[in-house]
Amino acid sequence: GAVVSQHPSWVICKSGTSVKIECRSLDFQATTMFWYRQFPKQSLMLMATSNEGSKATYEQGVEKDKFLINHASLTLSTLTVTSAHPEDSSFYICSARDWGLAAHNEQFFGPGTRLTVL
Amino acid sequence: GENVEQHPSTLSVQEGDSAVIKCTYSDSASNYFPWYKQELGKRPQLIIDIRSNVGEKKDQRIAVTLNKTAKHFSLHITETQPEDSAVYFCASLSGGSNYKLTFGKGTLLTVNP
Repeated sequence: GAVVSQHPSWVICKSGTSVKIECRSLDFQATTMFWYRQFPKQSLMLMATSNEGSKATYEQGVEKDKFLINHASLTLSTLTVTSAHPEDSSFYICSARDWGLAAHNEQFFGPGTRLTVL
Repeated sequence: GENVEQHPSTLSVQEGDSAVIKCTYSDSASNYFPWYKQELGKRPQLIIDIRSNVGEKKDQRIAVTLNKTAKHFSLHITETQPEDSAVYFCASLSGGSNYKLTFGKGTLLTVNP
């Protein structure tokens, strides 16, 4: 149980285009999902917290107009990188908390999406 | 906000030896401390976690200790094997409604056969 999927697993796009990444909880409901970015040989940096049915909470320094997050259902959150540039190339990972296990703190991670902007 | 420091950044051990990775945190309200193993290009895998009401937890070759007073926690891997080679991250979860995880910078563990 507690499986999180991401799609696509990798994407290459041209500079200036937008890319959408999907994060799904497959066998549980996730009221809260988190989006991380990880540059090579670095740690995971939280970009934003996505709450179902409400606006995402962005971390300091993360441009909310550039990284659009939508959490329209209890099993799906999307991250859209708008007007992508080479410096946005990174490994994007989502995680989700199981609403049914709210007393537990474990987050379940997706497999990540490798974005390369040419 | 929460700040998590992790040491060492790299650790090389011989197969069969023990490995210890240490982390400190700043927010005294943090109450959950997971450890993750991440292989190149893969998702972080939870290997063990500890809550603030417990001082030590063990799972086979892996153990975690927590000192709330000093605000530090450590990962101990005994009888290391080459397949233990990976990047290990500690993390701390801040309380409140956001339940945000703050990660340490990671430790690259290499187990030499």
